[in-house]
Amino acid sequence: GNSVTQMEGPVTLSEEAFLTINCTYTATGYPSLFWYVQYPGEGLQLLLKATKADDKGSNKGFEATYRKETTSFHLEKGSVQVSDSAVYFCALRKDQLTFGKGTKLSVIP
Amino acid sequence: DSGVTQTPKHLITATGQRVTLRCSPRSGDLSVYWYQQSLDQGLQFLIQYYNGEERAKGNILERFSAQQFPDLHSELNLSSLELGDSALYFCASSSGLAGGENEQFFGPGTRLTVL
Repeated sequence: GNSVTQMEGPVTLSEEAFLTINCTYTATGYPSLFWYVQYPGEGLQLLLKATKADDKGSNKGFEATYRKETTSFHLEKGSVQVSDSAVYFCALRKDQLTFGKGTKLSVIP
Repeated sequence: DSGVTQTPKHLITATGQRVTLRCSPRSGDLSVYWYQQSLDQGLQFLIQYYNGEERAKGNILERFSAQQFPDLHSELNLSSLELGDSALYFCASSSGLAGGENEQFFGPGTRLTVL
């Protein structure tokens, strides 16, 4: 079946540090890939997406590239801010969304 | 604000009881999805309705059921509750079917605690 594996958290970074959250997937065919963000007390919000191999999704300084050869979709940001503190979920969609376990990011001033 | 509303925000009940969670999708959205988020299982898809009809089932227990009404709001019914049913239940909506390029918009969730 389909599955998503993302790096375990929590991740704690200082403001302006570089962020990478690893995500790999298992699926038949070519799913669409997503990163969702969940701020405390809120529902999930779509952060970025990519629908085919080599596509790069980007939003709010975050980027992720759909790598078919490594079945990966790693999330990166060059300089994190305190306001980026949240839980980040990698997901794939083949008909339905399948989520990773989530990675909690805390950014300290 | 995603435009998806869920009530109640919090629910505390006892084992063996039955509860109903309610979701109102964004205006114009025909699809409603239910998800369960728990510490051990993570975020799991439960069930999808499209324009009043069940479209897809995920890891939904037989004790759980859902429906979508003519006004497109949806209810998730959980019965014979167990301690392990304690979780955050999310509703999401989209304009079309899951296989298309339709973004799902998530509500703020209902936190269920079973004592």
